[in-house]
Amino acid sequence: AQSVAQPEDQVNVAEGNPLTVKCTYSVSGNPYLFWYVQYPNRGLQFLLKYITGDNLVKGSYGFEAEFNKSQTSFHLKKPSALVSDSALYFCAVRDLAGGSYIPTFGRGTSLIVHP
Amino acid sequence: SQTIHQWPATLVQPVGSPLSLECTVEGTSNPNLYWYRQAAGRGLQLLFYSVGIGQISSEVPQNLSASRPQDRQFILSSKKLLLSDSGFYLCACSYPGPSNTGELFFGEGSRLTVL
Repeated sequence: AQSVAQPEDQVNVAEGNPLTVKCTYSVSGNPYLFWYVQYPNRGLQFLLKYITGDNLVKGSYGFEAEFNKSQTSFHLKKPSALVSDSALYFCAVRDLAGGSYIPTFGRGTSLIVHP
Repeated sequence: SQTIHQWPATLVQPVGSPLSLECTVEGTSNPNLYWYRQAAGRGLQLLFYSVGIGQISSEVPQNLSASRPQDRQFILSSKKLLLSDSGFYLCACSYPGPSNTGELFFGEGSRLTVL
C-alpha cells in the first residue's frame, strides 16, 4: 500500500525568505514522488518528480525537492519565496511495487507568502 | 505536450437534474484518464479512471458514472444530482504504458453547485 502525509495544513512565510513544505510517504517498494501546485479555481500543475538518481530534484518556478530515503521524506523547497507562490501544494507518491500506476495524493498544504 | 480541455467551467444545477461533464485530451494517444473531485478546495478524491476506450474503473460507489466513448474523451455523468455532488471536478491524464512514470496532467476543472 502507498500513502503520503502532509503534516501542515498551512505554511506562512515572508517574501524573500526560504520556504519548505513537508511531505512524508510510505511504500512497499521504491517510490515515484511528485509535487503539484494549485492556484485558486484552477487545475493542479505538475511541478517536479523524483524517479531515481540525484536526491535533489529541480522543477518549475525555482522550486526543488529533496528525496530522503531514510526519513521517507520529499520536502518541497524554494530559496526565496514570492507572494505569487501563495497556493495549495500537493505531494503524491506512486509505489512501484504496488502494481498500480495511480498516485496517492496528500491532503494539500496551503502556502501563504506575506509581502 | 498534452492539453486537457474541460467543460463547462461552471455549472449550477438543481437537485435531481442530470449532469454531463466532458473532458478531451490533445497531444497524446491512448492516455490513462481520471476524474477527481475536490471538495472545499482541499483533498482530491479519485472517482474513476480509464486505461482505454470503454474501460472504466470506479473507485467510489455513488450516483455518478463515467464513460470513454473515444480514445481521448472522458465523460462524467449523473442521472439525478444530489446536494453532496457539489464540488470541483478535475479531469487528468497520464502517459500510457512504459512511458508512464505516474505524473498527472490536469484540466482547469469544472465547478458544480447543486442547489
